[in-house]
Amino acid sequence: QSVLTQPPSVSGAPGQRVTISCTGSSSNIGAGYDVHWYQQLPGTAPKLLIYGNSNRPSGVPDRFSGSKSGTSASLAITGLQAEDEADYYCQSYDSSLSVLYVFGTGTKVTVL
Amino acid sequence: QVQLQESGPGLVKPSETLSLTCTVSGGSVSSGSYYWSWIRQPPGKGLEWIGYIYYSGSTNYNPSLKSRVTISVDTSKNQFSLKLSSVTAADTAVYYCARENFPGIAVAAYFDYWGQGTLVTVSS
Repeated sequence: QSVLTQPPSVSGAPGQRVTISCTGSSSNIGAGYDVHWYQQLPGTAPKLLIYGNSNRPSGVPDRFSGSKSGTSASLAITGLQAEDEADYYCQSYDSSLSVLYVFGTGTKVTVL
Repeated sequence: QVQLQESGPGLVKPSETLSLTCTVSGGSVSSGSYYWSWIRQPPGKGLEWIGYIYYSGSTNYNPSLKSRVTISVDTSKNQFSLKLSSVTAADTAVYYCARENFPGIAVAAYFDYWGQGTLVTVSS
């Protein structure tokens, strides 16, 4: 049911920069609604990573950053660390009279 | 620090009703600043929003589940609950309760605190 599309996987060596895209449409991201990002470590609940497109909750390292443009958003991880290996999901609001809150398809980040 | 904890049966028979409760600590479900949501994740798959409830009792559900879902709140116990009727194997998932923070408007809402999740398996 996901209406936000993410790449299934991205990988990088320690210290590198990786980006994860989140592509939506005119009824969600393109309509100007905020995008939020979550990190899900193996076997744990998702954790809020970025809210309001680019804001980090207290305690989230500044290695994580978010941006939005048009119908897409991106999450960047700089200085990749082994502990960043996880699944990442974007989330937004959708006004198409279907489900209100939609999640992305999810991206597995692998640290080589 | 806000904490949420799901509880309920881990095994439900097909056609029966799944019932889960989320107990909130370190915060109040009576706060007018938040919605209280249920989200699920089938094994190996992505996240699906099920619905939310406001302290007043107003609700909003995922249309794909609306005919089978009921979310309620008990402010005296600081809990909110999920009931999903007529379950099938497709409802097997980890169910999370979460606090939904809406800074002024619902369209900007995000989930800032999550329970640890509970696996519910639908099987005879």
